[in-house]
Parts: sequence; structure tokens; C-alpha cells
Amino acid sequence: EPEVTQTPSHQVTQMGQEVILRCVPISNHLYFYWYRQILGQKVEFLVSFYNNEISEKSEIFDDQFSVERPDGSNFTLKIRSTKLEDSAMYFCATYRENSYEQYFGPGTRLTVT
Amino acid sequence: KQEVTQIPAALSVPEGENLVLNCSFTDSAIYNLQWFRQDPGKGLTSLLLIQSSQREQTSGRLNASLDKSSGRSTLYIAASQPGDSATYLCAVLSGGSYIPTFGRGTSLIVHP
Repeated sequence: EPEVTQTPSHQVTQMGQEVILRCVPISNHLYFYWYRQILGQKVEFLVSFYNNEISEKSEIFDDQFSVERPDGSNFTLKIRSTKLEDSAMYFCATYRENSYEQYFGPGTRLTVT
Repeated sequence: KQEVTQIPAALSVPEGENLVLNCSFTDSAIYNLQWFRQDPGKGLTSLLLIQSSQREQTSGRLNASLDKSSGRSTLYIAASQPGDSATYLCAVLSGGSYIPTFGRGTSLIVHP
């Protein structure tokens, strides 16, 4: 069964550094989402992406964040200058058109020191 | 703004019990509701998706119901097993914005 993959599984970075989190969506899915989950807290929506542009974004998704689909397969989330409070699990999810059933990747654990 | 609440926050039961997890939402104008399972430190695994026009969905020992008018969904787990131990999350996709809202989850422990 096709699945969403994410790399790396764990990223440790120093405060102020840039990180890029990568996701490979299921091939025929057209809607892509990024979420984060701070330890012990809710899954929070960050941004949705459709047709090569951002559809919706949350208040969390400020100028430090960006998304792109550089090569038609990978879907990336970039954090330009990481802060301690960016430490969280970051999940990519993709949707099949018409059903909006979410398929999640295994997540990237980001630790900012 | 959609708010999603899950009750109870935690549940510990002996193996073999039937149990019910609850999810409530404040805005009934939803597109669908999805139940997930999350194991510690892992991603979310989809269990059941209920479209707004449906009343229930079943998969194996799991049954999810939806009552839009009262803003509630329940996940019924029959004959629970230790392997069912995990956190169960519900996510509501609101009509119009297509931004999912998650509950905090119910942490389930099934002991042998």
C-alpha cells in the first residue's frame, strides 16, 4: 500500500540554524499539509498546499516558515532560523482528491538546542 | 472557530472489554470526521473516515458513529486487546476552510 514518507526521522539543530524537512507524498495525491505536535500537546495545522501554491496557513506559519515542491515529488518545509520553541514532531499529510481522507507520514522529530 | 474535545483524556481497561471513546465538536458544518491511532513517538494511522452525509463506519472491531446535529462522534472498540493500547485522536474537517481541527486525544491502556 502506498505511504507517505518523511526524512529525516530525527533532526537536531542549534538555535538560529535553518532546517529543511522533506516529505514524499503518495503519488496521485494533490493536497499536501504540514502539521506540528509539541510533546504532549495537540496536533496543530501549519499550512496546506495545492496546485503548487499555499491554500491556507495558520498563525503559527509565520515568515520563518516556507513550503515548496521543488521537483514535483518532494514536498518540503523550511524553517529559516529555528527557535527553541520549534522543537516538535512535524508531520506531513496528503489527501486524495474528493475524499479528503488524510494519510500521514511517520514524522520528523525536530530538536532545537 | 471549530473546537474539538475528546473525553475521557485517559482510559485503562482490562483486556476483553468493549469501550467507547467520545469526540465532540462545536461547529456542525463539517465535511468529514476522521479517527486516528497514534503510538508513542509515531505518526498517525487512519482508522475510520466518516463523511458528513454518513452516520457510521465500521472496520473490524471498530465502529465510528457521527451525529452532526449534536456535534458528536463515538468510536466503539469491541473486545479490546493489549495491542489496542495507543492514543486515539479525532480530527474534524470543517466545511469551507478545509482546515482540520484535532482533539487532544484519548490515551488508552488495555492491560492483560
